[in-house]
Amino acid sequence: EAQVTQNPRYLITVTGKKLTVTCSQNMNHEYMSWYRQDPGLGLRQIYYSMNVEVTDKGDVPEGYKVSRKEKRNFPLILESPSPNQTSLYFCASSPLHLANTEAFFGQGTRLTVV
Amino acid sequence: GNSVTQMEGPVTLSEEAFLTINCTYTATGYPSLFWYVQYPGEGLQLLLKATKADDKGSNKGFEATYRKETTSFHLEKGSVQVSDSAVYFCALSSSGGSYIPTFGRGTSLIVHP
Repeated sequence: EAQVTQNPRYLITVTGKKLTVTCSQNMNHEYMSWYRQDPGLGLRQIYYSMNVEVTDKGDVPEGYKVSRKEKRNFPLILESPSPNQTSLYFCASSPLHLANTEAFFGQGTRLTVV
Repeated sequence: GNSVTQMEGPVTLSEEAFLTINCTYTATGYPSLFWYVQYPGEGLQLLLKATKADDKGSNKGFEATYRKETTSFHLEKGSVQVSDSAVYFCALSSSGGSYIPTFGRGTSLIVHP
């Protein structure tokens, strides 16, 4: 089954404690992206990657890191989380070589930083 | 660059009412247009799409027509149900944007019995 898998689904952590949210896709998609969703602010892009070892900043990259060492994985790293990073996070992937094809999303990770 | 603008929400309707959620876009190249739906507690999933001008996408009673002349892709449903309560996102991808998806901010729909 084609899917994007995020882990964990829920996470409560303390300020300053490094964490990683994993994202994996099984569709051989070139493009992967991280978004955060906050009430009243919609979906905002954090980082994206167009292929292995190619990453770029989105609209709200501060406080986040990513890596793309393998095509299927695109982890999101918060090295020193702060309460303003409390949010709902989504990973997505899509093929860049196929026109007319939709993006696929993970189920989301609800992060609370206290 | 590419961009998508959708109407602000929330949209609040009674069951069986007619729904329209407006979406307009700017794009380089020849965009494909999409509507995604996010049900409570879930990720976004594709609702419908249209890949060329005048195409109509449809699914689950929802429809949207690709209007190149007005650069619009409005979502409609003739009779909404409580189960349609969700957040709806308009999106596009185009050759001019390297097929990177661009999303609108989302419109929350609340349907009351």
